[in-house]
Amino acid sequence: DGGITQSPKYLFRKEGQNVTLSCEQNLNHDAMYWYRQDPGQGLRLIYYSQIVNDFQKGDIAEGYSVSREKKESFPLTVTSAQKNPTAFYLCASSIGVKRETQYFGPGTRLLVL
Amino acid sequence: ELKVEQNPLFLSMQEGKNYTIYCNYSTTSDRLYWYRQDPGKSLESLFVLLSNGAVKQEGRLMASLDTKARLSTLHITAAVHDLSATYFCAFCMNRDDKIIFGKGTRLHILP
Repeated sequence: DGGITQSPKYLFRKEGQNVTLSCEQNLNHDAMYWYRQDPGQGLRLIYYSQIVNDFQKGDIAEGYSVSREKKESFPLTVTSAQKNPTAFYLCASSIGVKRETQYFGPGTRLLVL
Repeated sequence: ELKVEQNPLFLSMQEGKNYTIYCNYSTTSDRLYWYRQDPGKSLESLFVLLSNGAVKQEGRLMASLDTKARLSTLHITAAVHDLSATYFCAFCMNRDDKIIFGKGTRLHILP
């Protein structure tokens, strides 16, 4: 089955710790995205990547980092610089340029201990 | 300021009734998306509207786009409980392809 997978489903972070959220897709999509969703809010773009080895900052990139070493993978690291990381994180992909429909993964819920 | 305003943000309605969710956006766009999100779940794509006057229908949901008014609507006909979810609209900015999401309309349909 083609789709987007995210892991883990739940992630707990201790203060000062970096954590990495996984996102993998087997849809052969070129573009991948990371969004953050806070309760009762819409989605805010953290980072996006249109091709391997290239990525751009979104609206709220501070405290986050990404890599795109393979077409199918786009991991997100939440660094200790992100002071309020508790949120629902959604990864998405699309065929090509950003105007295409985005397909979303199941999400990772990050909680701070 | 770039923004998307959805109205209402919360809607409780009886089964069998009709209702419309409104989505206003703040800048030129010729691409409007509607997504559905169930509690604790991811987003599911419902519609992509590509041009002025576009109308798409799937079951009891119908979406339309008026690019001149910068308005999209999602109409629910004869609502059923299974349609209870949060519905997001998002528009794509023409100038840089950025996608901006609204805050979502939480729809609760009472049996």
